[in-house]
This record gives sequence, C-alpha cells and structure tokens, in this order.
Amino acid sequence: AQTVTQSQPEMSVQEAETVTLSCTYDTSESDYYLFWYKQPPSRQMILVIRQEAYKQQNATENRFSVNFQKAAKSFSLKISDSQLGDAAMYFCAYRSQRESGGSNYKLTFGKGTLLTVNP
Amino acid sequence: EPEVTQTPSHQVTQMGQEVILRCVPISNHLYFYWYRQILGQKVEFLVSFYNNEISEKSEIFDDQFSVERPDGSNFTLKIRSTKLEDSAMYFCASSETRYNEQFFGPGTRLTVL
Repeated sequence: AQTVTQSQPEMSVQEAETVTLSCTYDTSESDYYLFWYKQPPSRQMILVIRQEAYKQQNATENRFSVNFQKAAKSFSLKISDSQLGDAAMYFCAYRSQRESGGSNYKLTFGKGTLLTVNP
Repeated sequence: EPEVTQTPSHQVTQMGQEVILRCVPISNHLYFYWYRQILGQKVEFLVSFYNNEISEKSEIFDDQFSVERPDGSNFTLKIRSTKLEDSAMYFCASSETRYNEQFFGPGTRLTVL
C-alpha cells in the first residue's frame, strides 16, 4: 500500500519570501501521479500542482513549483514570493496510474502542513 | 466557475442514528468520490462511484455505509447506524474522467454524540 508523509505539521513564511513544504511517499509502482492540494480556512481543497512520475521535468505553476526526486521518493512544493492568500493547509497526495485493478481511483493523502504567511 | 457543493455544512446526530450527507458534483463529471478526515488525521478515501456503481472502496467503507446517485445531480453518502468514531469531516469530490483532477467540495462536519 502507498503511504504519504508530510513531516512538517506547521510552517511559517514572511510575505514575499520563499518557503518549501516537504513530502515523501512510499510505493512499489513506477507509474503514478503526485499532487499538492491547498485548503484555505473553511474552503474546499483546490489543486495547486500535479506531477506525472514519468516526467523528469519538475512541474511549475506560476509561483508554485515542485522538486520531484523519484529515486528518493520525495516531492516538495516551493512557493515563491509568498502572499497572504497562500495561507492554508497544504496536502500532498498520491494516485496510482495503473490501468486496471487495484487503487487507480483514490487519492492517498499526507496529514497536511499548515502554512502561515506573516505580513 | 462550477464547483462541488455539499449539504449540510455541519450535522450533529445521536449514536445509532442514520445520516445522509449530500453532494452535488460538477455537472459534466462522471466520477464521484467520498473521503473523510478525522480531526488531526489524514484525509482518507472511502469510495469511488462511476456509472451507477461502486468502482473502488476502502476497508473503512463497510456495510454501514452506502452511496447513491438518486437523480441526475445529487450524490449521497448514507451511514446507517452512526458510531462515535464516525465523527469526522466528510468530503465529496468529482472528476470528469478517472485521470482528471478531482474537484473537492467544502465538506460536511459530522458530529456523533
């Protein structure tokens, strides 16, 4: 079974600075997807960024980028030029890419990292 | 922008009572999911649903749980006889295909007394 670990329950960053959130995972599969979801207070989870395991290039979405280290099973999220609106709980998640059988629908989540942005 | 909605936002019930949590997925989505998060713990997958049947379920999703799409818009999770340990935030999600992004609702906080 796959597991996802986020070792930082809480992080804080000064506005305009850069912060990196850590995520490691364990899997025996070679094809999978990794995600970072953001959950602002009292709001729904929204997808921040997605990485396909077969792609060597790290995904980037504006101020958000990942450092995907497949061999190390590490998937960290870097937020550049942090803004007050980035304050939220951030969840790392894994999904299998298997075509048939097994867990090819569900997301497996980490426990989350609560990010505070200080003005 | 279309979004997943859930009702109620907070449900309080007595142990042993039945509860139905409601979700309205995004209208052109075909895959539907329920997850839950017990306070302080991980978000856990419960069940996925496609073409009017369960496509995958976790070991949490026992005989006390059921899902239904009673009409063209709603997707419900029923817990037949609630236990104290069912207290959690329940999230509904939907996706266009099983490979696309899952869009989440805001959650229903279930409190079992």
